[in-house]
Amino acid sequence: EAQVTQNPRYLITVTGKKLTVTCSQNMNHEYMSWYRQDPGLGLRQIYYSMNVEVTDKGDVPEGYKVSRKEKRNFPLILESPSPNQTSLYFCASSPLVGEAFFGQGTRLTVV
Amino acid sequence: DAKTTQPTSMDCAEGRAANLPCNHSTISGNEYVYWYRQIHSQGPQYIIHGLKNNETNEMASLIITEDRKSSTLILPHATLRDTAVYYCIVRVGGTSGSRLTFGEGTQLTVNP
Repeated sequence: EAQVTQNPRYLITVTGKKLTVTCSQNMNHEYMSWYRQDPGLGLRQIYYSMNVEVTDKGDVPEGYKVSRKEKRNFPLILESPSPNQTSLYFCASSPLVGEAFFGQGTRLTVV
Repeated sequence: DAKTTQPTSMDCAEGRAANLPCNHSTISGNEYVYWYRQIHSQGPQYIIHGLKNNETNEMASLIITEDRKSSTLILPHATLRDTAVYYCIVRVGGTSGSRLTFGEGTQLTVNP
């Protein structure tokens, strides 16, 4: 089954403790990206990648890092999480031409 | 990418057609219209896309006006499970994945 898998689905952490949210896709897609969703602000893109070792900033990249060492994986790294990064996060993948597939989301709370 | 305007919310009776409008008056000739929906807090789901011809798939129909300045997503027989936020997105070419810009969308509520 074609899918984008994010882990964990829920995470509560403390300020400053580094964390990684993993994202994996099994469709051999070139594009992968990360979004965050906050009430009243909609979905905003954090980072995206057009292929292995090629990443670029989206609209709200501050406080986040990504890497694309393999085509199927695109982890989101928060080196020093802060409470304003409490949000619902989505990973997405898509081919060069065609629709995007989204993961089921990771609800992150930073206290 | 062209900006889109959608109503904030709409209601529809179960079994009836749901017609969701979208205005994109600044759309360029090489921009496609995409529709996604998000059920509760799940990941957005692709529905349909088109350039200038009307399109239909197993989920919905997309009607694009001749001047391409607006479009309508039609769910022919809405069910309770179609209750969701529907996003209309305009994208250059057919590449939908790299930079999708989501607006606030339309909250569709299907009532029994």
